[in-house]
Amino acid sequence: QITLKESGPTLVKPTQTLTLTCTFSGFSLNTKGVGVGWIRQPPGQALEWLGTIYWDDDKRYRPSLKSRLTITKDTSKNQVVLIMTNMDPVDTATYFCAYRRRLDIVWRPFDYWGQGTLVTVSS
Amino acid sequence: DIVMTQSPDSLAVSLGERATINCKSSQSLLYGSNNQSYLAWYQQKPGQPPKLLIYWASARESGVPDRLSGSGSGTDFTLTISSLQAEDVAVYYCHQYFDALPTFGRGTKLEIK
Repeated sequence: QITLKESGPTLVKPTQTLTLTCTFSGFSLNTKGVGVGWIRQPPGQALEWLGTIYWDDDKRYRPSLKSRLTITKDTSKNQVVLIMTNMDPVDTATYFCAYRRRLDIVWRPFDYWGQGTLVTVSS
Repeated sequence: DIVMTQSPDSLAVSLGERATINCKSSQSLLYGSNNQSYLAWYQQKPGQPPKLLIYWASARESGVPDRLSGSGSGTDFTLTISSLQAEDVAVYYCHQYFDALPTFGRGTKLEIK
């Protein structure tokens, strides 16, 4: 059974750096064709993809946020970490991590999601 | 970015009636190697993460009731709930995973009339 869970601070101040951890079970990020992504959702708004890290350490980021984002993985701990610098109140959102996999040569969408963690940016 | 335009923004349907949600992408999501469109539908209830319902535009995820179906190809897609049940009240999002920058629609809020 695949599960993911986000953890980290619920409140950060403007200009601070946010570090969120996604701890997962039921799969390994050493397995070919697997990826973990981060998606956020401001209160009452739509979903916004932030970035994805793949089994081969390939990383893809949202271009508009690329300079502020870093995603890393620790396969020994079954964790993926999201770092977002220079936080602003507009970054207030629920942050989700999610799993996706490749079947043969085609990718499935994110099919397992964590419950999400609400991060508020305020002084 | 591929822009996903959903309509309507909200929808109220009587129990047992049909609900239809539309999604249009700003460019084709058809992947040539398998002739599938990289379009998914998610359902999100308050306080919960999105739940995958449909992928490749029309493939139903395991466990999803068959009253929910997806159709369309290329740039125009539809999610249909053939007979609305109370548990279908939620916000529905379309999502393209064709591009290196995945994007989501703005959501359609489905309520009971």
